[in-house]
Amino acid sequence: SQQGEEDPQALSIQEGENATMNCSYKTSINNLQWYRQNSGRGLVHLILIRSNEREKHSGRLRVTLDTSKKSSSLLITASRAADTASYFCATDLNFGNEKLTFGTGTRLTIIP
Amino acid sequence: DTAVSQTPKYLVTQMGNDKSIKCEQNLGHDTMYWYKQDSKKFLKIMFSYNNKELIINETVPNRFSPKSPDKAHLNLHINSLELGDSAVYFCASSWTGSRQPQHFGDGTRLSIL
Repeated sequence: SQQGEEDPQALSIQEGENATMNCSYKTSINNLQWYRQNSGRGLVHLILIRSNEREKHSGRLRVTLDTSKKSSSLLITASRAADTASYFCATDLNFGNEKLTFGTGTRLTIIP
Repeated sequence: DTAVSQTPKYLVTQMGNDKSIKCEQNLGHDTMYWYKQDSKKFLKIMFSYNNKELIINETVPNRFSPKSPDKAHLNLHINSLELGDSAVYFCASSWTGSRQPQHFGDGTRLSIL
């Protein structure tokens, strides 16, 4: 079964608003990564958070990790039309073989 | 100066045929991957190679055979194509290590008639 599941499956907001996506996973992890996928394109790495970190920022992105709840959230502040994409979390389990297990994705639509 | 490039971008073929997808990366990475993304956008690892050695081989039918002639290339050959093979196949690369981000190509959309 899938390791990560994103919530919500789809999200539509007005440009300028903040967007929050959540990811839940099932087993212990080394790291959690977030990726973006624009329509018809490959995935682009956004940010990585280690299992011993609780929060990380990169530009308009803020990621939190709660290992006790096995969940992570991605916040995009001041959204722009160009943020329209699917967002995936990916977990790296404690196996040490670089295998990433991707979640089901959140489809984000920014309405201009 | 594309980092990870896949060819072809689209592949339409008949059931039962054999086809190949090529992948090349110019980032100098030592690890390459093949993923399959289904119609529901679920992305699943198929294979991973590190310095031309197979390190991840998920439960994939043996009709799928990866080949890595050198660490910059990872090709995927598929025999006896079936309807269920229709999907988007992504190649990716990274440095060795679980904290390394993966860089993806733009995918090959395979449609089986």
